[in-house]
Amino acid sequence: EVQLVESGGGLVQPGRSLRLSCAASGFTFDDYAMHWVRQAPGKGLEWVSGITWNSGSIGYADSVKGRFTISRDNAKNSLYLQMSSLRVEDTALYYCAKDHPSGALGNWGQGTLVTVFS
Amino acid sequence: EIVMTQSPATLSVSPGERATLSCRASQSVSNNLAWYQQKPGQAPRLLIYGASTRATDIPATFSGSGSGTEFTLTISSLQSEDFAVYYCQQYIKWPSFGQGTKLEIK
Repeated sequence: EVQLVESGGGLVQPGRSLRLSCAASGFTFDDYAMHWVRQAPGKGLEWVSGITWNSGSIGYADSVKGRFTISRDNAKNSLYLQMSSLRVEDTALYYCAKDHPSGALGNWGQGTLVTVFS
Repeated sequence: EIVMTQSPATLSVSPGERATLSCRASQSVSNNLAWYQQKPGQAPRLLIYGASTRATDIPATFSGSGSGTEFTLTISSLQSEDFAVYYCQQYIKWPSFGQGTKLEIK
Protein backbone atom coordinates (compact mmCIF):
# COMPACT_ATOMS: atom_id res chain seq x y z
CA GLU A 1 0.00 0.00 0.00
CA VAL A 2 1.31 3.42 -0.97
CA GLN A 3 1.91 5.68 2.01
CA LEU A 4 3.01 9.31 1.96
CA VAL A 5 3.60 10.97 5.32
CA GLU A 6 4.37 14.67 5.45
CA SER A 7 6.08 16.40 8.36
CA GLY A 8 7.81 19.65 9.23
CA GLY A 9 4.90 22.07 9.24
CA GLY A 10 4.32 24.58 11.99
CA LEU A 11 3.98 28.22 12.99
CA VAL A 12 6.56 30.61 11.58
CA GLN A 13 6.95 34.36 11.18
CA PRO A 14 7.15 36.08 7.79
CA GLY A 15 10.61 36.03 6.30
CA ARG A 16 11.64 32.86 8.09
CA SER A 17 12.32 29.40 6.66
CA LEU A 18 10.84 25.95 7.06
CA ARG A 19 11.67 22.55 5.60
CA LEU A 20 8.95 20.03 4.82
CA SER A 21 9.59 16.32 4.42
CA CYS A 22 7.57 13.50 2.88
CA ALA A 23 8.37 9.90 3.77
CA ALA A 24 7.27 7.47 1.07
CA SER A 25 6.67 3.73 1.32
CA GLY A 26 4.82 0.95 -0.45
CA PHE A 27 6.23 1.63 -3.92
CA THR A 28 9.52 2.00 -5.76
CA PHE A 29 10.17 5.64 -4.94
CA ASP A 30 12.78 6.31 -7.61
CA ASP A 31 10.40 5.20 -10.37
CA TYR A 32 8.11 8.20 -9.95
CA ALA A 33 8.02 11.96 -10.16
CA MET A 34 6.77 13.64 -7.00
CA HIS A 35 4.97 16.89 -6.24
CA TRP A 36 3.99 19.33 -3.54
CA VAL A 37 0.46 20.73 -3.70
CA ARG A 38 -0.96 23.21 -1.20
CA GLN A 39 -4.40 24.30 -0.09
CA ALA A 40 -4.97 27.53 1.78
CA PRO A 41 -7.74 27.42 4.40
CA GLY A 42 -11.11 27.22 2.65
CA LYS A 43 -9.52 27.53 -0.80
CA GLY A 44 -8.74 25.29 -3.75
CA LEU A 45 -5.71 23.25 -4.70
CA GLU A 46 -2.54 24.92 -5.92
CA TRP A 47 0.36 22.97 -7.40
CA VAL A 48 3.58 24.21 -5.79
CA SER A 49 6.47 22.19 -7.18
CA GLY A 50 7.40 18.95 -8.90
CA ILE A 51 10.52 16.86 -9.42
CA THR A 52 11.20 13.98 -11.79
CA TRP A 53 12.49 10.61 -10.63
CA ASN A 54 16.15 11.49 -11.05
CA SER A 55 15.83 15.22 -10.18
CA GLY A 56 16.61 15.96 -13.82
CA SER A 57 13.61 18.23 -14.24
CA ILE A 58 12.18 20.51 -11.58
CA GLY A 59 9.28 22.94 -11.77
CA TYR A 60 7.81 25.61 -9.54
CA ALA A 61 4.67 27.69 -9.46
CA ASP A 62 5.35 31.36 -10.14
CA SER A 63 4.11 32.17 -6.63
CA VAL A 64 7.03 30.31 -5.01
CA LYS A 65 9.77 30.50 -7.64
CA GLY A 66 13.02 31.75 -6.16
CA ARG A 67 11.84 31.12 -2.57
CA PHE A 68 11.10 27.38 -2.44
CA THR A 69 13.42 24.51 -3.37
CA ILE A 70 12.26 20.94 -3.97
CA SER A 71 14.59 17.99 -3.62
CA ARG A 72 14.51 14.26 -3.10
CA ASP A 73 16.73 11.55 -1.64
CA ASN A 74 15.95 8.29 -3.40
CA ALA A 75 18.14 6.34 -0.99
CA LYS A 76 15.92 7.53 1.85
CA ASN A 77 12.61 7.37 -0.06
CA SER A 78 12.04 10.99 0.87
CA LEU A 79 10.86 14.22 -0.74
CA TYR A 80 11.63 17.67 0.64
CA LEU A 81 10.49 21.25 0.25
CA GLN A 82 12.78 23.97 1.56
CA MET A 83 10.70 27.10 2.01
CA SER A 84 12.41 30.45 2.61
CA SER A 85 11.28 34.08 2.75
CA LEU A 86 7.89 32.81 3.85
CA ARG A 87 4.87 35.08 3.44
CA VAL A 88 1.47 35.18 5.13
CA GLU A 89 -0.03 33.98 1.85
CA ASP A 90 2.03 30.77 2.05
CA THR A 91 -0.22 29.64 4.90
CA ALA A 92 -1.73 26.34 3.75
CA LEU A 93 -1.95 22.61 4.15
CA TYR A 94 0.92 21.17 2.11
CA TYR A 95 0.35 17.80 0.45
CA CYS A 96 2.95 15.45 -0.94
CA ALA A 97 1.69 13.63 -4.05
CA LYS A 98 3.00 10.78 -6.18
CA ASP A 99 2.72 10.66 -9.94
CA HIS A 100 0.29 8.17 -11.45
CA PRO A 101 1.74 6.36 -14.52
CA SER A 102 -0.49 8.59 -16.65
CA GLY A 103 1.06 11.76 -15.23
CA ALA A 104 -1.87 12.61 -12.97
CA LEU A 105 -1.41 12.69 -9.20
CA GLY A 106 -2.28 9.19 -8.12
CA ASN A 107 -1.63 9.18 -4.38
CA TRP A 108 -1.66 11.91 -1.76
CA GLY A 109 -0.51 12.23 1.82
CA GLN A 110 -2.67 13.74 4.54
CA GLY A 111 -0.76 17.02 4.52
CA THR A 112 1.22 19.14 6.94
CA LEU A 113 0.00 22.57 7.99
CA VAL A 114 2.17 25.64 7.57
CA THR A 115 1.00 28.83 9.25
CA VAL A 116 2.86 32.07 8.59
CA PHE A 117 1.79 34.77 11.03
CA SER A 118 2.97 38.27 11.78
CA GLU B 1 0.96 28.68 -17.61
CA ILE B 2 -2.20 26.79 -18.55
CA VAL B 3 -5.25 28.21 -16.78
CA MET B 4 -8.03 25.78 -15.92
CA THR B 5 -11.56 27.16 -15.44
CA GLN B 6 -14.35 25.11 -13.89
CA SER B 7 -18.06 25.77 -13.99
CA PRO B 8 -20.27 26.15 -12.16
CA ALA B 9 -18.64 27.09 -8.87
CA THR B 10 -21.50 25.41 -7.00
CA LEU B 11 -23.93 22.83 -8.32
CA SER B 12 -27.05 21.81 -6.41
CA VAL B 13 -28.45 18.41 -7.36
CA SER B 14 -30.88 16.01 -5.74
CA PRO B 15 -29.79 12.49 -4.76
CA GLY B 16 -30.46 10.03 -7.56
CA GLU B 17 -30.11 12.67 -10.26
CA ARG B 18 -27.24 13.31 -12.67
CA ALA B 19 -24.55 15.95 -12.23
CA THR B 20 -22.51 17.45 -15.04
CA LEU B 21 -19.36 19.45 -14.22
CA SER B 22 -17.34 21.39 -16.79
CA CYS B 23 -13.69 22.26 -17.12
CA ARG B 24 -12.01 24.42 -19.75
CA ALA B 25 -8.29 24.80 -20.47
CA SER B 26 -6.75 28.03 -21.75
CA GLN B 27 -4.90 26.01 -24.40
CA SER B 28 -5.07 22.46 -25.64
CA VAL B 29 -4.02 19.80 -23.14
CA SER B 30 -4.97 16.93 -25.49
CA ASN B 31 -6.32 14.25 -23.12
CA ASN B 32 -3.89 15.03 -20.28
CA LEU B 33 -6.71 15.88 -17.93
CA ALA B 34 -7.57 14.45 -14.50
CA TRP B 35 -10.49 14.85 -12.12
CA TYR B 36 -10.22 14.66 -8.33
CA GLN B 37 -12.78 14.44 -5.54
CA GLN B 38 -12.15 16.05 -2.17
CA LYS B 39 -14.31 15.62 0.90
CA PRO B 40 -14.00 17.82 4.00
CA GLY B 41 -10.93 17.01 6.05
CA GLN B 42 -9.59 14.57 3.46
CA ALA B 43 -6.90 14.62 0.84
CA PRO B 44 -7.99 14.71 -2.80
CA ARG B 45 -8.63 11.38 -4.53
CA LEU B 46 -7.93 10.68 -8.19
CA LEU B 47 -11.15 9.80 -10.04
CA ILE B 48 -10.38 10.10 -13.74
CA TYR B 49 -7.16 10.34 -15.75
CA GLY B 50 -6.56 10.59 -19.47
CA ALA B 51 -9.81 12.60 -19.57
CA SER B 52 -11.97 9.48 -19.53
CA THR B 53 -10.29 6.55 -17.74
CA ARG B 54 -11.52 5.74 -14.26
CA ALA B 55 -8.85 5.27 -11.62
CA THR B 56 -8.68 2.11 -9.53
CA ASP B 57 -11.82 1.36 -7.50
CA ILE B 58 -13.77 4.32 -8.91
CA PRO B 59 -17.37 3.26 -9.64
CA ALA B 60 -18.85 3.36 -13.10
CA THR B 61 -21.22 6.13 -12.02
CA PHE B 62 -18.30 8.48 -12.69
CA SER B 63 -17.43 9.20 -16.30
CA GLY B 64 -15.23 11.74 -18.02
CA SER B 65 -15.20 13.05 -21.54
CA GLY B 66 -13.62 15.67 -23.74
CA SER B 67 -10.27 16.52 -25.28
CA GLY B 68 -8.32 19.59 -26.25
CA THR B 69 -9.78 22.41 -24.17
CA GLU B 70 -13.27 21.27 -23.12
CA PHE B 71 -13.92 18.52 -20.58
CA THR B 72 -16.85 17.15 -18.64
CA LEU B 73 -17.22 15.01 -15.54
CA THR B 74 -20.58 13.28 -15.25
CA ILE B 75 -21.84 11.60 -12.11
CA SER B 76 -24.95 9.56 -12.77
CA SER B 77 -27.46 8.77 -10.04
CA LEU B 78 -25.85 10.76 -7.22
CA GLN B 79 -25.31 9.03 -3.91
CA SER B 80 -24.90 10.83 -0.58
CA GLU B 81 -21.15 10.10 -0.58
CA ASP B 82 -20.71 11.87 -3.93
CA PHE B 83 -21.41 15.33 -2.54
CA ALA B 84 -17.97 16.89 -2.36
CA VAL B 85 -15.69 19.34 -4.17
CA TYR B 86 -14.35 18.30 -7.58
CA TYR B 87 -11.22 19.61 -9.25
CA CYS B 88 -9.91 19.23 -12.77
CA GLN B 89 -6.16 19.32 -13.44
CA GLN B 90 -4.04 19.35 -16.56
CA TYR B 91 -0.73 17.54 -16.73
CA ILE B 92 0.49 18.12 -20.26
CA LYS B 93 2.90 20.58 -18.62
CA TRP B 94 3.66 21.07 -14.94
CA PRO B 95 0.25 20.64 -13.30
CA SER B 96 -2.40 23.28 -12.78
CA PHE B 97 -5.81 22.93 -11.18
CA GLY B 98 -9.20 24.45 -11.74
CA GLN B 99 -10.73 26.39 -8.86
CA GLY B 100 -13.14 23.56 -8.04
CA THR B 101 -16.87 22.85 -8.23
CA LYS B 102 -18.74 22.23 -5.01
CA LEU B 103 -21.45 19.63 -5.53
CA GLU B 104 -24.11 20.09 -2.89
CA ILE B 105 -27.37 18.43 -2.01
CA LYS B 106 -30.45 20.17 -3.36
